[in-house]
Amino acid sequence: DTAVSQTPKYLVTQMGNDKSIKCEQNLGHDTMYWYKQDSKKFLKIMFSYNNKELIINETVPNRFSPKSPDKAHLNLHINSLELGDSAVYFCASSQDAGGNQPQHFGDGTRLSIL
Amino acid sequence: QQQVKQSPQSLIVQKGGISIINCAYENTAFDYFPWYQQFPGKGPALLIAIRPDVSEKKEGRFTISFNKSAKQFSLHIMDSQPGDSATYFCAAMGGGNKLTFGTGTQLKVEL
Repeated sequence: DTAVSQTPKYLVTQMGNDKSIKCEQNLGHDTMYWYKQDSKKFLKIMFSYNNKELIINETVPNRFSPKSPDKAHLNLHINSLELGDSAVYFCASSQDAGGNQPQHFGDGTRLSIL
Repeated sequence: QQQVKQSPQSLIVQKGGISIINCAYENTAFDYFPWYQQFPGKGPALLIAIRPDVSEKKEGRFTISFNKSAKQFSLHIMDSQPGDSATYFCAAMGGGNKLTFGTGTQLKVEL
């Protein structure tokens, strides 16, 4: 069973569209994250939720809106997609929001904006 | 501002050799230093991690060396194998659960 699963794996869409990426973890973890990996492979945190509550919100355009219906799911909705949004988006989870917790990553969603 | 600096950007090592990747950090509040391994098309996977109260941690062929006074840490891969070819990221965390990643090192182990 995949611990952290994301759908879709690939997403190709036009500039200006709205799209969503879904993430689910079956590890029983309380905390989930979204990371962005750019074309140079640099990984940067975007958001973190602990038990459905937002706890980290990095400097991300407000076109990006995370939603956590329950602690096992964290979805990412992106409005008015721009060329610069092209990247690989990774979902991750950890036991809780305490320090020094290992984070487990999904296999990513490659978003390509035409 | 890059809080965790990683070098080299890429590395080619012969099979059986030692791969060494170095990282340096600036924020003294960091207190957890993991290394992640990423294969193409996959997410980063935790390889090994260290806390600053120890100077070295070894797990199999992977060793982290940590120098708190210099604010540097490194990953050593002994007896490097072609299957180790991947991108390696150092990272740091402090005062919470926010991971700050280095820029990555693409390792290729040649036969």
